[in-house]
Order: sequence, then structure tokens, then C-alpha cells
Amino acid sequence: AQSVTQLGSHVSVSEGALVLLRCNYSSSVPPYLFWYVQYPNQGLQLLLKYTTGATLVKGINGFEAEFKKSETSFHLTKPSAHMSDAAEYFCAVTGGDAGNMLTFGGGTRLMVKP
Amino acid sequence: KAGVTQTPRYLIKTRGQQVTLSCSPISGHRSVSWYQQTPGQGLQFLFEYFSETQRNKGNFPGRFSGRQFSNSRSEMNVSTLELGDSALYLCASSSVTVNEQFFGPGTRLTVL
Repeated sequence: AQSVTQLGSHVSVSEGALVLLRCNYSSSVPPYLFWYVQYPNQGLQLLLKYTTGATLVKGINGFEAEFKKSETSFHLTKPSAHMSDAAEYFCAVTGGDAGNMLTFGGGTRLMVKP
Repeated sequence: KAGVTQTPRYLIKTRGQQVTLSCSPISGHRSVSWYQQTPGQGLQFLFEYFSETQRNKGNFPGRFSGRQFSNSRSEMNVSTLELGDSALYLCASSSVTVNEQFFGPGTRLTVL
């Protein structure tokens, strides 16, 4: 079985500050990891993914994440927050026989203060 | 290229009724997955279809079912609706196994 824990259901940062959203996973097989963003009344948009290879993954809108196997973590960062980053962010894992069956974390709502 | 489309976008039903939701994947995508999103349970996987075959199934009762057609369009059906079935139902399509999944805007189902 796989699971994802996102620490902090709500995170508030000032515009221009560092964004750090935490994700820890559990998987008995090599994981494939994803970060998705959801804006109000919309579906999910993929920010970035880790499958194999380079552990530092760059995504859209200036976001990046680093896969740390020893820490079972896949934290999402952005050096400078923008007002348009305010949304809900979901970390997800799959792997092995799970195929496209994503297991999601509980989500983190990011608020950006002017 | 058109994205994933879901119809209808909003739906109101009463307890005991049944409902069918539709999903059209991105052209060329053969995998379609369904997820339920609620404030209490978050995002939960319902099932995945690939080339008209159910490939994976989540932990939902048999009232939830789905199918996929030869053109990769998919439908999900919920019978004997319960209040707890009120949720945003998201469909996602993918071109290959364990690739990025593209999500539709969802169908918001309200059960009264």
C-alpha cells in the first residue's frame, strides 16, 4: 500500500517569500511522485513529476521539488511567491502495479499575503 | 489539442436516484481514471479503464461502476445515491501507463 502525508493543511506566506510545501510518502516499490495544483472550481493541473533519474525536478510556474529517498520526502518549493500561486496543492504517489492509480495527500492550501 | 471534458458540470439529484457522468479524454489517450473529491475524505481513486478494460479499482461500494467505450470515452454510474455521494468527480486521461495524467474540470454532484 502507498500513502502520502502533507504537513500543514494551510500555509501562509508573504508575496516574494519562499514557498515550501511538505510531502512525505510511503511506498513498498520505487515511487513515482507528482505535485498537482487546484484552483477554485477547477480540476487538477500537473506542476511536476518524478519518475526516475535526476532527483531535483523542475516544473511549471517556477516550482521545483527534490526526491529524497532516505527521507521519503518530495517537498515542493518556489523561491518567490506570487499572488497567483494561491491555490490548493496536492502531492501524489504511484508505482509498481498501481499504474495510474494515484494516492493523494490531504492537500495544502497556500495563501499569499500582499 | 482539446483537454479532458466532463459532462455535465453540475448535477443535483435526490437520494435513491442514479446518475451517469461522462468523460471524454484527450484525443489519443487510452487510459481514463476517475476520482472522487470531498472535503472530508479528500481525493480518492475510483477506477481506471484502459482499452475498455478496468485495470484498477479503488475501495468503493459496488454502487459505483464505470465503463469505457471503443473511442476511449468513459462513463461512471452511481446507483441508489446517498447524501455522502455529494462530491466533485474528476476524470483524468493518460497516454501511457504511469505518465502524467490530465484532469478534467470535474462534475459537481449534489445529492439532496
